[in-house]
Amino acid sequence: NAGVTQTPKFQVLKTGQSMTLQCAQDMNHNSMYWYRQDPGMGLRLIYYSASEGTTDKGEVPNGYNVSRLNKREFSLRLESAAPSQTSVYFCASSEFGAGTSYNSPLHFGNGTRLTVT
Amino acid sequence: DQQVKQNSPSLSVQEGRISILNCDYTNSMFDYFLWYKKYPAEGPTFLISISSIKDKNEDGRFTVFLNKSAKHLSLHIVPSQPGDSAVYFCAASVRYGGATNKLIFGTGTLLAVQP
Repeated sequence: NAGVTQTPKFQVLKTGQSMTLQCAQDMNHNSMYWYRQDPGMGLRLIYYSASEGTTDKGEVPNGYNVSRLNKREFSLRLESAAPSQTSVYFCASSEFGAGTSYNSPLHFGNGTRLTVT
Repeated sequence: DQQVKQNSPSLSVQEGRISILNCDYTNSMFDYFLWYKKYPAEGPTFLISISSIKDKNEDGRFTVFLNKSAKHLSLHIVPSQPGDSAVYFCAASVRYGGATNKLIFGTGTLLAVQP
């Protein structure tokens, strides 16, 4: 019963390097999300995909790109990493749009801890 | 502009007593509120939710109260257990981009339940 799986768990990058964070869910959910968590800031939405084939910007999209590869997979790419992107990144999924009247809570992965030096 | 606020960064409670975690919000358009619990090195897990048309929802030891006039909600845990020690996030749902809802999270409250 895997739920939402994120890889890698940890990553250290130098400024300017690129990398892709992978996320896959096995719950047949329609919507997927990328959040970042920073001390004192809560969880902030980076990008989301309401359904397969669509992606949209969240609150803090600058410096990131996403790909909804299929219904299961949603990746987050940092093209040129910056120290300000040091954070813990969480992928999440929900059956319908998060928190709608269908009572569709988000299911989170265990996060990727990224450090950019 | 923090639309969802958890003003207490931490809370310490004795085992068996009641834990009350508070959350304030500013946007009257929020239509659903949720609480998440997070252990270290894990992702947040859904705990309980409440629709904006209700004022109370109960699930076992967990009860969420919503006071719309005060734009305030609270999570009550009775009785508190050491395993409840975690960070608790309040979240609110709002229509975003016309196509879906998004969740806006508070900054979290660290609950420590002392044996």
